[in-house]
Amino acid sequence: ETGVTQTPRHLVMGMTNKKSLKCEQHLGHNAMYWYKQSAKKPLELMFVYNFKEQTENNSVPSRFSPECPNSSHLFLHLHTLQPEDSALYLCASRGRGRKAKDTQYFGPGTRLTVL
Amino acid sequence: RKEVEQDPGPFNVPEGATVAFNCTYSNSASQSFFWYRQDCRKEPKLLMSVYSSGNEDGRFTAQLNRASQYISLLIRDSKLSDSATYLCVVIDDTGGFKTIFGAGTRLFVKA
Repeated sequence: ETGVTQTPRHLVMGMTNKKSLKCEQHLGHNAMYWYKQSAKKPLELMFVYNFKEQTENNSVPSRFSPECPNSSHLFLHLHTLQPEDSALYLCASRGRGRKAKDTQYFGPGTRLTVL
Repeated sequence: RKEVEQDPGPFNVPEGATVAFNCTYSNSASQSFFWYRQDCRKEPKLLMSVYSSGNEDGRFTAQLNRASQYISLLIRDSKLSDSATYLCVVIDDTGGFKTIFGAGTRLFVKA
């Protein structure tokens, strides 16, 4: 149904682990986003990439490291996370026009639990 | 002042009721406007675009008032399945295509 996929859908990790979240979009978009959403809280924008270049970093701690090898793929590398980092991590992509098809489309998210 | 503001609710309405949400935005240069719906523990999904001329899709009507800088969403004949959080989205196309999400308005429709 969605043109944006995310893996894994669920992840449980310890504070000393290193893991990566993957996002792939099949919509031909050139902007990709990472958001964090804690329980019953609004979306928090983390990173923005336009044409593979990072254009926004909203003061995200360095234990979150994004990577965008091309316009279709986006990764979020995680290391030494804290329990308060447990949340739903959402990836989105967007085109450059003003039509509905060019607004942000979200992947299903990765539900992360840090023990 | 927040760039995009919504009443967080929750709005508790009976089935069949009509309910309206408003959203205000601060940047008069904003160009594109949308409503998204987010179900519990799911990703936000595009509900509809908002145009100055109004936009209707079945029981849903969206309006834009540029002079007062607000957008609205009207839901008629509410269904149980309409229960969700409704997010107002404003896009500033001047340069960086900045997308701003409101914090959302929670709606509960009860039998």
